[in-house]
Amino acid sequence: NAGVTQTPKFRVLKTGQSMTLLCAQDMNHEYMYWYRQDPGMGLRLIHYSVGEGTTAKGEVPDGYNVSRLKKQNFLLGLESAAPSQTSVYFCASSLDSTYGYTFGSGTRLTVV
Amino acid sequence: EDKVVQSPLSLVVHEGDTVTLNCSYEVTNFRSLLWYKQEKKAPTFLFMLTSSGIEKKSGRLSSILDKKELFSILNITATQTGDSAVYLCAVERNTDKLIFGTGTRLQVFP
Repeated sequence: NAGVTQTPKFRVLKTGQSMTLLCAQDMNHEYMYWYRQDPGMGLRLIHYSVGEGTTAKGEVPDGYNVSRLKKQNFLLGLESAAPSQTSVYFCASSLDSTYGYTFGSGTRLTVV
Repeated sequence: EDKVVQSPLSLVVHEGDTVTLNCSYEVTNFRSLLWYKQEKKAPTFLFMLTSSGIEKKSGRLSSILDKKELFSILNITATQTGDSAVYLCAVERNTDKLIFGTGTRLQVFP
């Protein structure tokens, strides 16, 4: 049982490049989330999904897109990377509120 | 604007000390408050609190919520070097989204 798996773990992008971060969970969770973590800012919600085929904006959605075509996968896309998107990205999933959220191990992205 | 504030930002103690971490919040549609421990990688779940005044305990860690005064505390007794981490407080709203505080960095020295 892998839980929440994020790929890649590290990536360096040049400004203007695009990429997709993959989050996969094998716990049959309905809800999935993408967060970014920056020093002094805590974790901030980018986008989330409450079920297959649904997505919604979080606190800081600009510059990102997401898709949830399959229940187990939640993709985060950067259309045109900017240095301000240098961050650690965490994916999380939850079945419901009873047990809290399960986080992936994070993706460290650097945009130069 | 919804916000979650943790204090102190940083704490340095010696093994065996007891620490108290604070989390205050101003959030609409409050559903629950969660504590996480983050070491090098992903945050790991510690507690979920939904009711005031009921202490949750796990070994040397305990936490309690005060919904009237809008805060929670996380206590760690007899600290060990393995307790060194960032402790995150998050509030869940009825919309199922978490709002995180900036965390308290705890360092425990032998």
